[in-house]
Amino acid sequence: DTGVSQNPRHKITKRGQNVTFRCDPISEHNRLYWYRQTLGQGPEFLTYFQNEAQLEKSRLLSDRFSAERPKGSFSTLEIQRTEQGDSAMYLCASSLDRYPGLEQYFGPGTRLTVT
Amino acid sequence: QQPVQSPQAVILREGEDAVINCSSSKALYSVHWYRQKHGEAPVFLMILLKGGEQKGHEKISASFNEKKQQSSLYLTASQLSYSGTYFCGTGGGVYKLSFGAGTTVTVRA
Repeated sequence: DTGVSQNPRHKITKRGQNVTFRCDPISEHNRLYWYRQTLGQGPEFLTYFQNEAQLEKSRLLSDRFSAERPKGSFSTLEIQRTEQGDSAMYLCASSLDRYPGLEQYFGPGTRLTVT
Repeated sequence: QQPVQSPQAVILREGEDAVINCSSSKALYSVHWYRQKHGEAPVFLMILLKGGEQKGHEKISASFNEKKQQSSLYLTASQLSYSGTYFCGTGGGVYKLSFGAGTTVTVRA
């Protein structure tokens, strides 16, 4: 297994533009998570999926953010009308939904810079 | 609510030991420990579930006291490769993790 992959690795966009990130989890993992990390802080939970169902969204996730996981495989995170405050590392993680297997494995992240 | 980690930073010489603490004001079901090196993704170290178990990974071990809502990570006989920022992630359930601000560990030769 090649682990969790994310694309693109870096994205520079102008304020007001829309961006979309993709995450491919470990193949047998049915849970997929999105986190955001800013410099000097730990990852911050955004949302998570159990298969294709989005079961929880953080209150931090404004209406400009939307995530999907069609068919329970890869996931996309879209940010509309980006703002400078959206600049961060966006991390995806995946896990199983039973023990053992609850540990979350992170992808390399997508670094977003909004200018 | 974010767990609180202490210390914020620690500097060690190779072979020395260190303890990193993680405490929460909320009841915990699980504690996850990760190490992150600069510019890289967090790497999973170990998970501790409710039950006070202690686990180990190489010379890194951890304990979880759910009554005190605390976990500690023990770095024993530190190696240069142990350098990085250590995060604890705590969960009231097993999926949604709240991460602390991290403890930066620097191991020097």
